[in-house]
Amino acid sequence: DADVTQTPRNRITKTGKRIMLECSQTKGHDRMYWYRQDPGLGLRLIYYSFDVKDINKGEISDGYSVSRQAQAKFSLSLESAIPNQTALYFCATSRTRFNTGELFFGEGSRLTVL
Amino acid sequence: DQQVKQNSPSLSVQEGRISILNCDYTNSMFDYFLWYKKYPAEGPTFLISISSIKDKNEDGRFTVFLNKSAKHLSLHIVPSQPGDSAVYFCAASARYGGSQGNLIFGKGTKLSVKP
Repeated sequence: DADVTQTPRNRITKTGKRIMLECSQTKGHDRMYWYRQDPGLGLRLIYYSFDVKDINKGEISDGYSVSRQAQAKFSLSLESAIPNQTALYFCATSRTRFNTGELFFGEGSRLTVL
Repeated sequence: DQQVKQNSPSLSVQEGRISILNCDYTNSMFDYFLWYKKYPAEGPTFLISISSIKDKNEDGRFTVFLNKSAKHLSLHIVPSQPGDSAVYFCAASARYGGSQGNLIFGKGTKLSVKP
């Protein structure tokens, strides 16, 4: 079983719909992240969380919200999806605050907004 | 403004030869650099890293070189194998400053190793 699990793996939705992407981890890490990958743009940070009570905006947080329900669970919501939010979304975890260690990524959630 | 730049979107090399992937950065506060590899339909996986106090780190076929004065790092793969075909992301972090140690990624370079 994967250490970082994302659901759904693929989702097609319509403009204006609310969508939630879920992430759970069994690594016991405190720090969790949501990244977005677009062709030619690399990985961009949406939100990150140091622990259950600490949520921070990343580089591109507009149009997104997150919830850290437990140490192991971090979900990403699009309240009203729009076509330019079509992308590949990755959840990741890390054990250290300053990223001298590696990030562990899930397999990704491909979202298409029509 | 892009802080981590991978100016080559793609690279093609012959099996057995050396692959050199390049990365430039602009933020002098970056003090840790990492390379990630990504296969299609999978999440990125950590490959190798280097601290700013070093200029070279080697792990098997993979070596990362850091030139702080030029704000440039490179990943060397020797010898290249077809299984190395993937997208490679360069990433950097700064322990001090406003980014709270978060990784900043480049756009990636797609490496194709031909048999």
